[in-house]
Amino acid sequence: EAEVAQSPRYKITEKSQAVAFWCDPISGHATLYWYRQILGQGPELLVQFQDESVVDDSQLPKDRFSAERLKGVDSTLKIQPAELGDSAMYLCASSLGGGDGYTFGSGTRLTVV
Amino acid sequence: GENVEQHPSTLSVQEGDSAVIKCTYSDSASNYFPWYKQELGKRPQLIIDIRSNVGEKKDQRIAVTLNKTAKHFSLHITETQPEDSAVYFCAARNSGNTPLVFGKGTRLSVIA
Repeated sequence: EAEVAQSPRYKITEKSQAVAFWCDPISGHATLYWYRQILGQGPELLVQFQDESVVDDSQLPKDRFSAERLKGVDSTLKIQPAELGDSAMYLCASSLGGGDGYTFGSGTRLTVV
Repeated sequence: GENVEQHPSTLSVQEGDSAVIKCTYSDSASNYFPWYKQELGKRPQLIIDIRSNVGEKKDQRIAVTLNKTAKHFSLHITETQPEDSAVYFCAARNSGNTPLVFGKGTRLSVIA
């Protein structure tokens, strides 16, 4: 079964440092999503890509977060500077688009100390 | 935008009993309603979904019902087993390529 690859699985960083997460969606999936999941809550959308274009980044804290998908395949999410409140699971998901369900990656658990 | 409410937040059932989790949504244009299961430390996995043109869908011990008029949908798990213990999330989205909006999750514990 095809999977969404994410790395790293775990990341501990000090506040004010920069951190980056990587996601490789299922081959052929044009739509890629980054979600943040705070412990005990549901995933919340940060950014949605269609191919290399941002479709929705209305909930992305753009003063510190950035995301790119330069070639329309893999994607990077960056936080600079990290804050204590950024501690969460960062989930990447992909879909063919057009209304089907997502396939999620295993996520990156970020701890900011 | 869409808002999804999920209840209860925690649910404990005896093995073999049924479990029901309910969600309401706000956007009457929403037409796709998936359910995800997330085991501890693992990624959410799609277990069943339903589209607005049907009222019920069943897959073995799992079923989902949709009431478009009331804007709510429910997950039913029958003959629960300990391996059903997990956090379950409902989600909704409207037409087009809009992203899923998730509920806050229900932690289901099946007691042997």
